[in-house]
Amino acid sequence: RKEVEQDPGPFNVPEGATVAFNCTYSNSASQSFFWYRQDCRKEPKLLMSVYSSGNEDGRFTAQLNRASQYISLLIRDSKLSDSATYLCVVNLSGGSYIPTFGRGTSLIVHP
Amino acid sequence: DGGITQSPKYLFRKEGQNVTLSCEQNLNHDAMYWYRQDPGQGLRLIYYSQIVNDFQKGDIAEGYSVSREKKESFPLTVTSAQKNPTAFYLCASTSNGVEAFFGQGTRLTVV
Repeated sequence: RKEVEQDPGPFNVPEGATVAFNCTYSNSASQSFFWYRQDCRKEPKLLMSVYSSGNEDGRFTAQLNRASQYISLLIRDSKLSDSATYLCVVNLSGGSYIPTFGRGTSLIVHP
Repeated sequence: DGGITQSPKYLFRKEGQNVTLSCEQNLNHDAMYWYRQDPGQGLRLIYYSQIVNDFQKGDIAEGYSVSREKKESFPLTVTSAQKNPTAFYLCASTSNGVEAFFGQGTRLTVV
């Protein structure tokens, strides 16, 4: 079983749609969680951190469910510019911080 | 401005040749990491270093070597023992478990 799992997609949605991604992790001792965005042939960039209480940044909402060991990302009112790969990142070691990545979920927003 | 610099952006390696990828950061981060990304895949950890003069193998360390003589620098050598080195290589750094910052990556191709 992989340590961090994501549905690779692609998710193909029209502009204005709401889309949600989930990511599951295997280590219950994991302490910090993030969503990154990666554009084609570029480095990943932080989209948002994920807190136990959930957090929202404009059209983006991230949530953490520790009991079921998953995090989610919700994108409302999708824009063409949201087209990218979204990577789930989990600190799995607890002691030493080692960012562990899911394989990413591809989002394509079309007109 | 603070950040991580990787060089070169593109690198071509002949069969049997060792090559070294540079990674420099001026963020004063203690921890640095090397990842490999293949097309359509997530990031896989090659090596990481939590402190100067110390480093640990990641999930796919075979055929690679690193050094951490200075806090700012974490070069990666791809040796001839790495049989399938063509990939996108990403260097990252963190401080105290907050988000990872990435360099722009090095795209290595075997010719």
